[in-house]
This record gives sequence, C-alpha cells and structure tokens, in this order.
Amino acid sequence: AQSVTQLGSHVSVSEGALVLLRCNYSSSVPPYLFWYVQYPNQGLQLLLKYTSAATLVKGINGFEAEFKKSETSFHLTKPSAHMSDAAEYFCAVSEGGYSTLTFGKGTMLLVSP
Amino acid sequence: GAVVSQHPSRVICKSGTSVKIECRSLDFQATTMFWYRQFPKQSLMLMATSNEGSKATYEQGVEKDKFLINHASLTLSTLTVTSAHPEDSSFYICSALAVKETQYFGPGTRLLVL
Repeated sequence: AQSVTQLGSHVSVSEGALVLLRCNYSSSVPPYLFWYVQYPNQGLQLLLKYTSAATLVKGINGFEAEFKKSETSFHLTKPSAHMSDAAEYFCAVSEGGYSTLTFGKGTMLLVSP
Repeated sequence: GAVVSQHPSRVICKSGTSVKIECRSLDFQATTMFWYRQFPKQSLMLMATSNEGSKATYEQGVEKDKFLINHASLTLSTLTVTSAHPEDSSFYICSALAVKETQYFGPGTRLLVL
C-alpha cells in the first residue's frame, strides 16, 4: 500500500524567502510522485511530477522537487516566495503509473510581506 | 494543458433531494475519471473510479447506492448524490485521466445540504 506524509500542516515564510515543503512517501513499487496546488474553493493544479526519469523535476511557477529514493522523499522548493504562492499544497503518490493517487494531508503555505 | 470542467460549481439543496454533478474533459478523451471528496481543511479522499462504459469501482466505505456514478462517454462522467443529507455537504472534485497522462482535476463542486 502507498502512503504520503507531509510534515507541517502550515508553513510560513516571508516574501522573497526560500520555500521548502516536505513530503515523504512509502510505496511497494517505484512510484510516480506529484505536487499539486489548490487555491481556495478551486480544484487542484499540477505543479510538477516525477515519473522515473530525472530526479530533479522542474515545474510551473518556479517550483522544483527532488526525488531521493534513499530518503523516500520528494520535497518541494522554490528559491523566492511570492505572495501569490499562498495556497494549499498536496503531495501525491501513484503506484504503477498514472492511476490511483494517494494524497498527503496537505500543507498550507502562508506568505507574509 | 488539458481542461476539466465541473457543473455546477456550487449547489444548495434540501435534505432528501438528489443532486447531479457533471464532470467533463473538454479537450481530450478520458478513459478513466475519478471522484474525490474533500472536507474542510482536509485532503482529498478518493470515492470511486469510473471507466467509460463500465460500472464504477467504489472505495471501501463509500455507499454505491448513495453516490451513483455514470461514465457514459469518454468526455463525461456524472456523480449523483441520492437522497442527500446534511452530512453529505462537502467539496466534490473530479479528475480525468487521458491515456498515459496525468490526472487533470476539475474546479470542484461545493454541495450544501440544508
């Protein structure tokens, strides 16, 4: 069975500061990993995905994530936070391709001026 | 990127009535669609997986007679909440899966049952 753990339900950063959102996963097979962003009262937008190619994945809006098999991690980073980055971020894992996703509980990113 | 729409975006209904939510893939054909439920400040919970032309597969604990799913075409899936009650109030999100592609999510439907 697959599972995802997101450390920290809330992360607060100042505008311009580094963003680091943590995600650890468990999977019995090589996983596909995803980061999604959700703005209030909206659906999920894909930020980036790892599908067994390059371990450093670049996504939209300046976000990137690195797959570390030894640490079973897929942390999301952005060098400089913008106010518009304030949202809820979900890490998700899929076994066997793009089928069933298991989501973490989400991390709310708060950005202060 | 691929676009998935949901209709309605929000609905308020009386207890005991049924509500239908539509999920459409606008610019691609979706072999599989998923229905999720999200409670306030919580993650998405998969309710069911529907494949075009076949019966939906429901997750454990989801009442199939209460949450009727129909996937009549490669671009449309519907979720009907039958005899809705206040505890069914939630945010319902669908996603659509193209062949060898990522799940694309709809904008969600806010259901409030009075």
